[in-house]
Order: sequence, then C-alpha cells, then structure tokens
Amino acid sequence: GEEVAQTPKHLVRGEGQKAKLYCAPIKGHSYVFWYQQVLKNEFKFLISFQNENVFDETGMPKERFSAKCLPNSPCSLEIQATKLEDSAVYFCASSQSGSNQPQHFGDGTRLSIL
Amino acid sequence: GDSVTQMEGPVTLSEEAFLTINCTYTATGYPSLFWYVQYPGEGLQLLLKATKADDKGSNKGFEATYRKETTSFHLEKGSVQVSDSAVYFCALSKGSSNTGKLIFGQGTTLQVKP
Repeated sequence: GEEVAQTPKHLVRGEGQKAKLYCAPIKGHSYVFWYQQVLKNEFKFLISFQNENVFDETGMPKERFSAKCLPNSPCSLEIQATKLEDSAVYFCASSQSGSNQPQHFGDGTRLSIL
Repeated sequence: GDSVTQMEGPVTLSEEAFLTINCTYTATGYPSLFWYVQYPGEGLQLLLKATKADDKGSNKGFEATYRKETTSFHLEKGSVQVSDSAVYFCALSKGSSNTGKLIFGQGTTLQVKP
C-alpha cells in the first residue's frame, strides 16, 4: 500500500495482560521502525528491521517487549505482562533505505493499560 | 550522545504572523536533519529535510537551513495560517554507517488564532 497501516487504533488491556500491535509498511520499503510516544510529545526509538532482520534493537526493553517482521505478514510489536507505564502511542514507520531517507509514519496505536 | 533541543512551547500566533521555531542539535559526524509535523490524532508527516551543511529544505511555505557552524535547523514561515496549528518536531538521523533511527526533539506546539 501507499501508507503505513497500523492496527488496532486503540488497544485497552488490564495490567499484566499481553498486548500485540501490528504494522504494514509501505510496499517496497525495506526498513521498519517502531517508536513509543509518551507524555504527549516525547518519542523514544524502540527497534528497527531491515526486511525480516533486526537492524537495531538498542531501544527495546529486553524483558517484556519483542518484535517481528516476517515475510508476507504485517510486522508486530508484542508486550508481555503489561505495566501501567507501557501506556503510550506506538508508531510504526517505514523507509526505502535506513539512512538519510525520510521515514513515513502510520497513525499509531494508542495502548491504554488499566 | 546525540540529541535535539527545541524551543519550549506552546507558541501562540495570530494568523499571518511570522513563525520561527528554534532547533539545535548535538551529534558527531554529519547527520541529516528533518522537521516533522503532527496533527491531532495523526502520525508524523515529513515537512522538510536537509542532508548537508547549508542545504535549505522547504515545503508548503516552511523553510529551514542546515547551519553546521551553529548546529541549528530553525523552522520559519512568513505567514502562518490557522491550519498550521499542530505539533512540530525537529529530528536528526545519522549517516551511512548508522541505523537511520530518528532522534527527536521534545516537540513545539503551535497554535494559530484567527
């Protein structure tokens, strides 16, 4: 597609439950990025992929967060045993190449942990 | 580490006023610089970019010049409209040896009143 498609738009989970978010990058884009937006404006990089391979995971909390990009499937970001502090908007972006190319963002998934 | 600092908001202007949003960065090497805009409930949209010193990025009446000597990338527009009301993010991305992840400033909210 011509847009980065993120689903669902809003996800509500009780503390301790699992949350799974999906992202379909723009067709032909090789790189996928996940960001977490907290406190309304602050963006934090989580992880990036080059095709199905992890490219940079330096921003990922190791214990409960995982992500995949498998061929012919949307990419996914999964949070196990969610905590209140995981409440945020999670954005996915894709680009044709990783460096110096504009990233195209989806509309985000708002995760609310109750 | 690398970082981006933006002027604190919110910025409130009357329609047709001149806009400046300051952005400075700290980075080793030669980053690419970007301005993204976020409208309520939406993802980030690329507004403009510059990839090397003295480059001027421009789009929709907005412009910014990559100033290496002052490590700045200030956003300007000569005459703002109500429809420009949004949150503006300055960001950098490192060069060919890096992952391309974006490092964002804290965002500046612009409110334009009729």
